[in-house]
Amino acid sequence: NAGVTQTPKFQVLKTGQSMTLQCAQDMNHEYMSWYRQDPGMGLRLIHYSVGAGITDQGEVPNGYNVSRSTTEDFPLRLLSAAPSQTSVYFCASSAGTTGSPLHFGNGTRLTVT
Amino acid sequence: KNQVEQSPQSLIILEGKNCTLQCNYTVSPFSNLRWYKQDTGRGPVSLTIMTFSENTKSNGRYTATLDADTKQSSLHITASQLSDSASYICVVRAAGGSYIPTFGRGTSLIVHP
Repeated sequence: NAGVTQTPKFQVLKTGQSMTLQCAQDMNHEYMSWYRQDPGMGLRLIHYSVGAGITDQGEVPNGYNVSRSTTEDFPLRLLSAAPSQTSVYFCASSAGTTGSPLHFGNGTRLTVT
Repeated sequence: KNQVEQSPQSLIILEGKNCTLQCNYTVSPFSNLRWYKQDTGRGPVSLTIMTFSENTKSNGRYTATLDADTKQSSLHITASQLSDSASYICVVRAAGGSYIPTFGRGTSLIVHP
């Protein structure tokens, strides 16, 4: 199995540009989520979804949109990129129980200039 | 507010030596605690899960402990190898059906030859 696949691996944007980070999983997991990881801050939750058609905000949702039209895909959209959004972004999925581990993709490193 | 604190923030040891990483949490009611290993440039991967009734669990050279009374966990690495160089993240989940785990900021371990 491929697990959780994130694309692209690297991206450079200019301030004000928009883009979509892609995330796909092939494990039929109900729960999917997006995190950003900054030095010294750990992983912070941006948005999450508990199933197709259901999304909710995490700790740091401002400037990001998500949708979940299928079980497999959970794209993250940056509406108008800002330098403060320079970070490494991780997508994760898990089965629908609190005992299930999070399966992470290998991240997208985003730089906004 | 649920919190997870890890110490030390960073650690440097020589190959072959042992080390212990600490995790203190305030998450309540407690469901489980996981340790993740994050190699540079990769997403975190689950090492082990500790539930309320478990005191000690081993996974190869990794041994996790849990004291639910004091809300503390440790991860002991025996006979360290260069491949143990990584960030180790403690993640705690609350009982009650919440999908949102609480992350520690991680301990960065460097193993020198």
